[in-house]
Amino acid sequence: SQQGEEDPQALSIQEGENATMNCSYKTSINNLQWYRQNSGRGLVHLILIRSNEREKHSGRLRVTLDTSKKSSSLLITASRAADTASYFCATADSWGKLQFGAGTQVVVTP
Amino acid sequence: GAVVSQHPSWVICKSGTSVKIECRSLDFQATTMFWYRQFPKQSLMLMATSNEGSKATYEQGVEKDKFLINHASLTLSTLTVTSAHPEDSSFYICSAPFWLDYEQYFGPGTRLTVT
Repeated sequence: SQQGEEDPQALSIQEGENATMNCSYKTSINNLQWYRQNSGRGLVHLILIRSNEREKHSGRLRVTLDTSKKSSSLLITASRAADTASYFCATADSWGKLQFGAGTQVVVTP
Repeated sequence: GAVVSQHPSWVICKSGTSVKIECRSLDFQATTMFWYRQFPKQSLMLMATSNEGSKATYEQGVEKDKFLINHASLTLSTLTVTSAHPEDSSFYICSAPFWLDYEQYFGPGTRLTVT
């Protein structure tokens, strides 16, 4: 079953703007991961944040994790048309098993 | 980074036939692999955990007799969709965790269409 929810379900922005999406989950986690998926393609791992971390950066990506609220956010700064994709959060238990959120479809227009 | 491959990348089969999908870890050993299914415009749903040397464990609601999983070696897991029906048409994706950094590596997926 799905671990949690993501919002918004869809996001349309212009190049240069920032995109923020949120993820909530229900159970305790080992880590939380964000993935990108282009239409009909496989998943690309973006960033992993462990349960004892609060914030992590990777290039134009910034991820926060609030375990007390069981939520995470992904911020993409200075978006580009190539960032158009679906973004999924996934929580991992201690065995590495991932449960995915519903995803946010991001469209970046030039 | 580590690479996971899947074969075939797409397959069309007739209703009632069986289809085998392979998932290989190319440059690391994976005692555990995971199989997911994704319907159009939906998220990934975990189907089962494939364990090398033992039986797979299936998520609730997944028919183990219909989706046969065999983890033949430390680098290969196979998913066989038996007696496929049109409702089994989906995108099947495998993944393997690389324990040193907890990151999961995903295969490119296999698109199954049952006619």
